Amino acid sequence: QSVLTQPPSASGTPGQRVAISCSGSSSNIGSNTVNWYQQFPGTAPKLLIYNNNERPSGVPDRFSGSKSGTSASLAISGLQSEDEADYYCAAWDDSLSGLWVFGGGTKLTVL
Amino acid sequence: QVQLQESGPGLVRPSQTLSLTCTVSGGSIRSVGYYWSWIRQHPGKGLEWIGNIYYSGSAYYNPSLKSRVSISVDTSKNQFSLKLTSVTAADTAMYYCARNRGWSGESDFDYWGQGTLVTVSS
Repeated sequence: QSVLTQPPSASGTPGQRVAISCSGSSSNIGSNTVNWYQQFPGTAPKLLIYNNNERPSGVPDRFSGSKSGTSASLAISGLQSEDEADYYCAAWDDSLSGLWVFGGGTKLTVL
Repeated sequence: QVQLQESGPGLVRPSQTLSLTCTVSGGSIRSVGYYWSWIRQHPGKGLEWIGNIYYSGSAYYNPSLKSRVSISVDTSKNQFSLKLTSVTAADTAMYYCARNRGWSGESDFDYWGQGTLVTVSS
């Protein structure tokens, strides 16, 4: 059971806008920044969004992030077939002695 | 461009110690403000942070694994290492090393190794 809650799956057709949610608590998302990672089968995760809504160099502006309270969201506009991947949210959790926590991942299918 | 590469045995016997090393290239492990993490992913599952270390040797661990985990750093070799003791089949996973840009609440994992699969089996 992951500390951050994501829907296990999401889907959309090319050109559509899709949003993936990530729900946490006051000790993680509520008090720290959220990151999003994209992972293709058989490869390592790649940083997609950091500091809630910042994109690393090279990430298309079709990808955007937002945060409100104890929830965050990743939006993908102009969906493309190459966006089909697993997406994970992550945040630092201040509970106990502190640790990184991740969502269980959302498998995005482009129909 | 920073690159990370994991190395170590792909098969570990139950109750033994899992040992992995991550070699950093294209940058110094002594860079100020960067921490170096181990993260694992069970087959078909999500990601689990194991712990991280600063070049000074200060290490931080996931409380759920703390009793079995040790992370060390060798700045002369630009490497950091993971030891996980008393392994069971539940420790079978893909193990990644990654760079933490910053610390705790406003940080992220900006570079990752390709991962190494470790299977615990007799």
